[in-house]
Amino acid sequence: QLQLVQSGAEVKKPGSSVKVSCKASGDTFSNSAFSWVRQAPGQGLEWMGGIIPVFGTTYYAQTSQGRVAITADGSTSTVYMELSSLRSEDTAMYFCARHLTGRYFNSWGQGTLVAVSS
Amino acid sequence: EIVMTQFPATLSLSPGESATLSCRASQSLSSNVAWYQQKPGQAPRLLIYGAATRATGIPARFSGSGSGTEFTLTISSLQSEDFAVYYCQQYDDWPLYTFGQGTKLEIK
Repeated sequence: QLQLVQSGAEVKKPGSSVKVSCKASGDTFSNSAFSWVRQAPGQGLEWMGGIIPVFGTTYYAQTSQGRVAITADGSTSTVYMELSSLRSEDTAMYFCARHLTGRYFNSWGQGTLVAVSS
Repeated sequence: EIVMTQFPATLSLSPGESATLSCRASQSLSSNVAWYQQKPGQAPRLLIYGAATRATGIPARFSGSGSGTEFTLTISSLQSEDFAVYYCQQYDDWPLYTFGQGTKLEIK
């Protein structure tokens, strides 16, 4: 079973950027795809985008286009999500999730809280 | 973008009762629908995939059904640990995944 461990909580200023990591272990990184999902306080789940590391192919939700960059480092089995031009509305819990290409999310990280405040 | 609409937003039931949660898609899907359970302070957990297949370790009281635009999660004989928020997700329109807005199952 793949385990996903995310980096710790972040507090950022509006206009800055944040980069959250998600390290995978326990299974084959290269045959997996990964997505990032965020959840604002008291709100539902919002898919932001994903990556297929073996191909380096990335996909983004329309609402994420232009501000989100998802990357992967196969040598460390780590996936990253960088969000730029932060605003208060980006305050949320950010989850990484593992799935096969085009399939449901069968493993989740523990979440990383990103707080944006001046 | 495929919109997933869940209803009701909140469902109040007592332990031992059965729960029926609904999810409607804005266009017809194949069986590429999943259900997740989320408890406060935790990551979501996969319950059902392929509209009707239970994930590993999920109790038999959880069942999924549906096709086309209408999908249902049924929880028979509610246990105290079942009170949580439930989300449906479509992965038919990959790579564009969408979730429903969630149904909160609370103790009456």
